[in-house]
Amino acid sequence: EDKVVQSPLSLVVHEGDTVTLNCSYEVTNFRSLLWYKQEKKAPTFLFMLTSSGIEKKSGRLSSILDKKELFSILNITATQTGDSAVYLCAVVSNSGYALNFGKGTSLLVTP
Amino acid sequence: DVKVTQSSRYLVKRTGEKVFLECVQDMDHENMFWYRQDPGLGLRLIYFSYDVKMKEKGDIPEGYSVSREKKERFSLILESASTNQTSMYLCASSLRGVKSYEQYFGPGTRLTVT
Repeated sequence: EDKVVQSPLSLVVHEGDTVTLNCSYEVTNFRSLLWYKQEKKAPTFLFMLTSSGIEKKSGRLSSILDKKELFSILNITATQTGDSAVYLCAVVSNSGYALNFGKGTSLLVTP
Repeated sequence: DVKVTQSSRYLVKRTGEKVFLECVQDMDHENMFWYRQDPGLGLRLIYFSYDVKMKEKGDIPEGYSVSREKKERFSLILESASTNQTSMYLCASSLRGVKSYEQYFGPGTRLTVT
């Protein structure tokens, strides 16, 4: 059975801190791993990673995939209160259409 | 701008009622999905559709059915609502091919079954 595990489940940091969120997976026929940010409502797409070792970057957020060790990390530098959200990791399942989500990491950035 | 809309943000229904949740996307996406999201369980796939009139079961299809008569619209049906179907329901859509993994989500419908 496919499995996606995120850690930690929740995290509280101060503004300006750097955080690292983890996602490990066991998936048949891995295709891609995705990161989403969910504030009060709909998850919004952040990154899609398909190849090992290639960092994806968007502003203060970056992510990298290790296909040998079966994990990905999402880094947020110089955190702001607006980064407070649930961060979801998802892996493409065997069907090639559907995403298999982890339970998410709840991040709270305090002023 | 990408847009996925859902018919209701909040819905309260009684046990045994038939419930329709509607999702519409205006991006001409081939794929559409229904998830439910529960605390401690994350997002779980109920059904998805990769074309009009086509559907595939996800991880938790029991108690649900779907309908896709038009490309832009994907409906989730609870034939006889039960209290364990109280949840947040999220619809998503994506293109076919290499972009199929980038799913765009609607705002969600919080359904309470009493």
